[in-house]
Amino acid sequence: QTVVTQEPSLTVSPGGTVTLTCASSTGAVTSGYYPNWFQQKPGQAPRALIYTTSNKHSWTPARFSGSLLGGKAALTLSGVQPEDEADYYCLLYYGDTWVFGGGTKLTVL
Amino acid sequence: QVQLVESGGGVVQPGRSLRLSCEVSGFTFSDYGMHWVRQAPGKGLEWVAVISYDGSNKYYADSVKGRFTISRDNSKNTLYLQMDSLRAEDTAVYYCAKVKEIVVVTTIEYWGQGTLVTVSS
Repeated sequence: QTVVTQEPSLTVSPGGTVTLTCASSTGAVTSGYYPNWFQQKPGQAPRALIYTTSNKHSWTPARFSGSLLGGKAALTLSGVQPEDEADYYCLLYYGDTWVFGGGTKLTVL
Repeated sequence: QVQLVESGGGVVQPGRSLRLSCEVSGFTFSDYGMHWVRQAPGKGLEWVAVISYDGSNKYYADSVKGRFTISRDNSKNTLYLQMDSLRAEDTAVYYCAKVKEIVVVTTIEYWGQGTLVTVSS
């Protein structure tokens, strides 16, 4: 069974920079896994942020960026805002299945 | 604007069936693949199933394979999830989601607000 692993929790100060990562139990994450990133705030549906590693949706704030880093997919927030406090999920594609990571709870403090 | 509205959730006994619907508007439904994703109370997201734009290709998570069936009616702009042999562990909010690109199903773009399914005796 494929497992996608994210940091359970991270804390960042307002205005700071933080990187969330997404690892696959099958090995290095590449662009062929079409990494997607989503943000979810309490009581709300998820919202798409990044697709195919580094592409932003039209509504994605410029401070969010996606990349591949050390064999993992990565989501970097630069100049973090209080409203960025949320859960973040990555999604990887495995040919005929998709697997979400367990999520990262980001605290802005 | 794109809208996805799920319905059909509720309380159901273990072993029984339920059908969820997702009515869409604001885009040409027949051009895009669709996913179902669920989230158990207090837990993370779990991918459930995907269907291609024309219904010819369907894929499922192992946890629901053989019990759930994804389908669509492009004439009604509606996506479905037939859930049979329900178990307590199927209790979750079920979201439908639209893919971003025509034909390709690798990117999830828009999400509905979800419908809660509770499996309990």
